[in-house]
Amino acid sequence: QVHLVQSGGGSVKPGGSLRLSCAASGFSFSDYYMSWIRQAPGKGLEWVSFVNSGSGTILYYADSVKGRFTISRDNAKNSLFLQMNNVRPEDTAVYYCARDICNTNSCHHDNWGQGTLVTVSS
Amino acid sequence: SYVLTQPPSVSVAPGQTARITCEGNNIGGKSVHWYQQKPGQAPELVVYDDSDRPSGIPERFSGSNSGNTATLTIIRVEAGDEADFFCQVWDSDSDHFVFGTGTKVSVL
Repeated sequence: QVHLVQSGGGSVKPGGSLRLSCAASGFSFSDYYMSWIRQAPGKGLEWVSFVNSGSGTILYYADSVKGRFTISRDNAKNSLFLQMNNVRPEDTAVYYCARDICNTNSCHHDNWGQGTLVTVSS
Repeated sequence: SYVLTQPPSVSVAPGQTARITCEGNNIGGKSVHWYQQKPGQAPELVVYDDSDRPSGIPERFSGSNSGNTATLTIIRVEAGDEADFFCQVWDSDSDHFVFGTGTKVSVL
């Protein structure tokens, strides 16, 4: 059974940094693409970042976080990370990690973590 | 950037059929995926690749996609189906996931 357990959320001041983690179990982590998605309070879903399987050399980012956030993975530890730097109040959201299934021309998120709240406020 | 538009809300009586639309430019040429999110929970995949269901999702949930509109249909609606629903596509032009604006389904 697929499990994605998240940690690392909390409160941070504008301009500060935070690192989110997502521990995977129940599947061969290195074989799967992974993503981060966020949801601001009372709002819809916003995709944040994507990393490909294996060595994780293909990285995609939403325009709203490009240059500030970095996605990475440690296959030896079955873990996904999101390093958040220079955070802004508009980054306040629940952040979800998700396992991705991709074919030639489409990707979707088939399993999600429980979510972790990040609050950016002075 | 690619935009997906959903109606903000849909209301349906128990036992009736709910239809949730997702509009996008030539969305029929893309694969559409649907997620259900109940209050306080993470989203859950209910339909992928336009019309396939993950294991454990009831046959009451089905999807279709043609032209500029994709549709998620829920037949024999139950009180437990009350939730927010989001459509999603992969935009290969930008290498971005794109989510719809979301629809709140209320069971009367």
